[in-house]
Amino acid sequence: AQSVTQLGSHVSVSEGALVLLRCNYSSSVPPYLFWYVQYPNQGLQLLLKYTSAATLVKGINGFEAEFKKSETSFHLTKPSAHMSDAAEYFCAVSNIAGGTSYGKLTFGQGTILTVHP
Amino acid sequence: NAGVTQTPKFQVLKTGQSMTLQCAQDMNHNSMYWYRQDPGMGLRLIYYSASEGTTDKGEVPNGYNVSRLNKREFSLRLESAAPSQTSVYFCASSALQLSGANVLTFGAGSRLTVL
Repeated sequence: AQSVTQLGSHVSVSEGALVLLRCNYSSSVPPYLFWYVQYPNQGLQLLLKYTSAATLVKGINGFEAEFKKSETSFHLTKPSAHMSDAAEYFCAVSNIAGGTSYGKLTFGQGTILTVHP
Repeated sequence: NAGVTQTPKFQVLKTGQSMTLQCAQDMNHNSMYWYRQDPGMGLRLIYYSASEGTTDKGEVPNGYNVSRLNKREFSLRLESAAPSQTSVYFCASSALQLSGANVLTFGAGSRLTVL
């Protein structure tokens, strides 16, 4: 079984400050990991994904995440927050598709990011 | 390129009424999914279809049925709506990447209220 825990349902930062959104996962096999972003009244968009290549993954809009196997973590960071980053962020885990495992995604509970001027 | 299109965007039902949420994708993806989103609970998988002609239960299938009409379309039906089914519903589709990762593309969502 696989699961995802996002630490902190709400994170608030000032514009220009570091953004850090925490995600820990549990998986019985090497995982694939994803961060999705949801802007108000929209669907989810893929920010970045880890697929067992480089452990530091760069995504869109200046976000990046680092896969740390020893800590079972995949935290999302951005050096300088912008007002347009205000959204809800979801971490998700899956294992490799194929056979009965299929590659289904399991999502965390979400973290709402607020950016103050 | 429309991606994943869901209809309707908003719907209000009375308890016991039935309705169908429609979903279509134009990306030639094999797999399609229905999720529900509730505050503080993330997205939970209701049903999925790995390929045309197959459907399987996800995490929370009770009270729902699905139909994979063809490769493009995957509908979700509530036969007798209950207030507990008040939620935002998302359809998604995916195609396996060379890496083996399953990357989902989501629709804009359908907000359903059951009174």
